Amino acid sequence: AQTVTQSQPEMSVQEAETVTLSCTYDTSESDYYLFWYKQPPSRQMILVIRQEAYKQQNATENRFSVNFQKAAKSFSLKISDSQLGDAAMYFCAYRSGLGGNQFYFGTGTSLTVIP
Amino acid sequence: EAQVTQNPRYLITVTGKKLTVTCSQNMNHEYMSWYRQDPGLGLRQIYYSMNVEVTDKGDVPEGYKVSRKEKRNFPLILESPSPNQTSLYFCASSLGTGWDEQFFGPGTRLTVL
Repeated sequence: AQTVTQSQPEMSVQEAETVTLSCTYDTSESDYYLFWYKQPPSRQMILVIRQEAYKQQNATENRFSVNFQKAAKSFSLKISDSQLGDAAMYFCAYRSGLGGNQFYFGTGTSLTVIP
Repeated sequence: EAQVTQNPRYLITVTGKKLTVTCSQNMNHEYMSWYRQDPGLGLRQIYYSMNVEVTDKGDVPEGYKVSRKEKRNFPLILESPSPNQTSLYFCASSLGTGWDEQFFGPGTRLTVL
């Protein structure tokens, strides 16, 4: 089974500043997909950004971008110009490219945005 | 509106009393999955289904059953619930696998006394 590690249980950032959430994973596969999900206090799971492992270019979605280091098996999330609405639990997730049937999630990072 | 619905949203029950949590999606998705979320453990996959009549175990299937008789529905069954199954449960669906985005239901908070 794959493992996904989020080593920062809690992070905080000042409003308008930039914060980076870390994620590492363990796999022997070469083809896979990586995701970041956001879970606000409403508990709804929301996709933030995703990355295909065979693509070298880092994914970006507005203020959200990733730093994907395939050799290091690292997939960090950068949030620029942080907003109060970014406060949430963030989960990193892995999905195999072979069949892609199972998902593996990290334990999450709770992000606080300070006004 | 495209969505995944779960019922009930909240449930308190007692040990050993069989229960079913329903999940339905209206997006004609092939893939459906159940997760449980516990503090400090993140989300863990219980079961998933690639299509009608095709189901497979995830990481934590013990104590759960599922069925996929129709494409849109994927109920989670607890035949004899125990207190260690107290958790927040999410159903999710995606068009296929790989890159496809998973859409999550609103969650079901289950307490087993």
